[in-house]
Amino acid sequence: AQKITQTQPGMFVQEKEAVTLDCTYDTSDQSYGLFWYKQPSSGEMIFLIYQGSYDEQNATEGRYSLNFQKARKSANLVISASQLGDSAMYFCAMREGQWLTGGGNKLTFGTGTQLKVEL
Amino acid sequence: ETGVTQTPRHLVMGMTNKKSLKCEQHLGHNAMYWYKQSAKKPLELMFVYSLEERVENNSVPSRFSPECPNSSHLFLHLHTLQPEDSALYLCASSQDPTGSGELFFGEGSRLTVL
Repeated sequence: AQKITQTQPGMFVQEKEAVTLDCTYDTSDQSYGLFWYKQPSSGEMIFLIYQGSYDEQNATEGRYSLNFQKARKSANLVISASQLGDSAMYFCAMREGQWLTGGGNKLTFGTGTQLKVEL
Repeated sequence: ETGVTQTPRHLVMGMTNKKSLKCEQHLGHNAMYWYKQSAKKPLELMFVYSLEERVENNSVPSRFSPECPNSSHLFLHLHTLQPEDSALYLCASSQDPTGSGELFFGEGSRLTVL
């Protein structure tokens, strides 16, 4: 089974509207971390937001928020007030287990969602 | 220079060539990573170096050989590659373990194997 599932290969949203990008994950670990990255056409992966499994509050970073539903194992990204510059691929990723010194932060990624913002 | 820089940005090589990809991070991080990104597939973790020791080799064929001479530099040596190795190779770094530990990525090296 896939560790990270992103079921929306492509999404369209109108400028200034909000959009939700779906992500579900699969892990038996109690301690894990969830990440969202944006990849514009230039290729660079840009970190957007992080949610730890023990964090009780949903993470927010500016126009980005993470709708974390632990029991459903979902970590959806919400982008408010979409802008043309938000058009890009968006990846959900997970780190499983405790993060130990010297172990590196090994992330497993989903297949991504291509978001296009229209006028 | 800031962030993570990768060179070359584009590389075309024959199956019998030997080439190297270079990654340099200017963030003072202590962990570095190689990921492979192929079309319509999730990013695949290839190698992880933490504190200059290789801590992960994710069943990568031996035609890919990583090298981490210090905490700021990471190389991926390529030899006798196959056409299916054509992909975007992304380098990343992080501070291990601190906070969320997000990875900072370079813009990638686009490899085409003829």
